[in-house]
Amino acid sequence: ELKVEQNPLFLSMQEGKNYTIYCNYSTTSDRLYWYRQDPGKSLESLFVLLSNGAVKQEGRLMASLDTKARLSTLHITAAVHDLSATYFCAVGEETSGSRLTFGEGTQLTVNP
Amino acid sequence: GAGVSQTPSNKVTEKGKYVELRCDPISGHTALYWYRQSLGQGPEFLIYFQGTGAADDSGLPNDRFFAVRPEGSVSTLKIQRTERGDSAVYLCASSWGPNEKLFFGSGTQLSVL
Repeated sequence: ELKVEQNPLFLSMQEGKNYTIYCNYSTTSDRLYWYRQDPGKSLESLFVLLSNGAVKQEGRLMASLDTKARLSTLHITAAVHDLSATYFCAVGEETSGSRLTFGEGTQLTVNP
Repeated sequence: GAGVSQTPSNKVTEKGKYVELRCDPISGHTALYWYRQSLGQGPEFLIYFQGTGAADDSGLPNDRFFAVRPEGSVSTLKIQRTERGDSAVYLCASSWGPNEKLFFGSGTQLSVL
């Protein structure tokens, strides 16, 4: 059974600071996604990572994937208050077709 | 429509009742997914449709849960004899095809009293 673990689960940071959220998964995967969820809202796709060494950047967020280590990171640069949200990674297992297994989420609060 | 539409946005029902939740995917998306999200947790997979057929229903928790997509577009998730433990946000997502990026709807908050 595929397990996906994120850490930290809660992150409070000051504006302007940098931080990294980690996503570890337990079995071979061929794709990994990062989503953002605002309170009471649905999930918004941020990144799709499909190969070892993939790196994608959008604004202050950068995601990377290391399939050998079964690890993805979401790096936040110079955080701003608007980035406050819950961030989920989701992993597609090679043998499971299209189903995704989500992590518990990292609740990020950026303080002014 | 412009996005994935789910109705109702909120549903309150009594234990033992039957409920139907509707999902209208993005036009042209062949893949449709149902997930369930409990408070403070990540979404949990329920079922995946490719076209009209359920390609993977391994996430349905038991036989009280059933979903259909008769014409390959709108889908309905049906829950019989609801239990308090069924209370959650039910999310629908669609994509152009398998393994493509998922677009999620706003969800239906189901509360079973």
